[in-house]
Amino acid sequence: EVQLVESGGGLVQPGRSLKLSCAASGFTFSNYYMAWVRQAPKKGLEWVATISTSGSRTYYPDSVKGRFTISRDNAKSSLYLQMNSLKSEDTATYYCARHRTIAARYFDYWGQGVMVTVSS
Amino acid sequence: DIQMTQSPASLSASLGETVTIECRASEDIYNGLAWYQQKPGKSPQLLIYNANSLHTGVPSRFSGSGSGTQYSLKINSLQSEDVASYFCQQYYDYPYTFGAGTKLELK
Repeated sequence: EVQLVESGGGLVQPGRSLKLSCAASGFTFSNYYMAWVRQAPKKGLEWVATISTSGSRTYYPDSVKGRFTISRDNAKSSLYLQMNSLKSEDTATYYCARHRTIAARYFDYWGQGVMVTVSS
Repeated sequence: DIQMTQSPASLSASLGETVTIECRASEDIYNGLAWYQQKPGKSPQLLIYNANSLHTGVPSRFSGSGSGTQYSLKINSLQSEDVASYFCQQYYDYPYTFGAGTKLELK
């Protein structure tokens, strides 16, 4: 059974940093592109970052480019999101998600999510 | 960026009814479209991919159709467990973008 379990969320002040983790199990982690998707309270979904199988390629929307860094450790089957210079608009539930294939990058499995609140 | 316009924003329907949710892309996305269901307090779950392919384990009362810029999700014979929010997502091009969502309630 595919499982994605996020951790590391919490309350952080504007301008500070936070690192999220996602522990994967139930599949060969190194074979899949992985991603982070967020959802602000009572709002829609926003894709935040994608990383290739080896970690050599990363992709971000303009809203987080230069502030967020996605990374992975295939030996530990773990995905990470380093978030720097946090803003109030980054307040959201952050989901770890698996891309189905390199060619068809929809998200076939999602974690339960972790809440990040950016506030003074 | 490709904009995804989803309608309606909310929908009220009766048990057993058929409902349809629409999603329009700002440009051709060549069937690179997925639909997700999100129940209150839960994470999104994949329903449909490639515009019309049913994800493993999803009931056959869900179906997707469309092409080009126009896509739709149909739910036949609405069940109580279908009460949820539904989102479309294009994965044809970066940045991946989602529709604003449709909240489905029982009448």
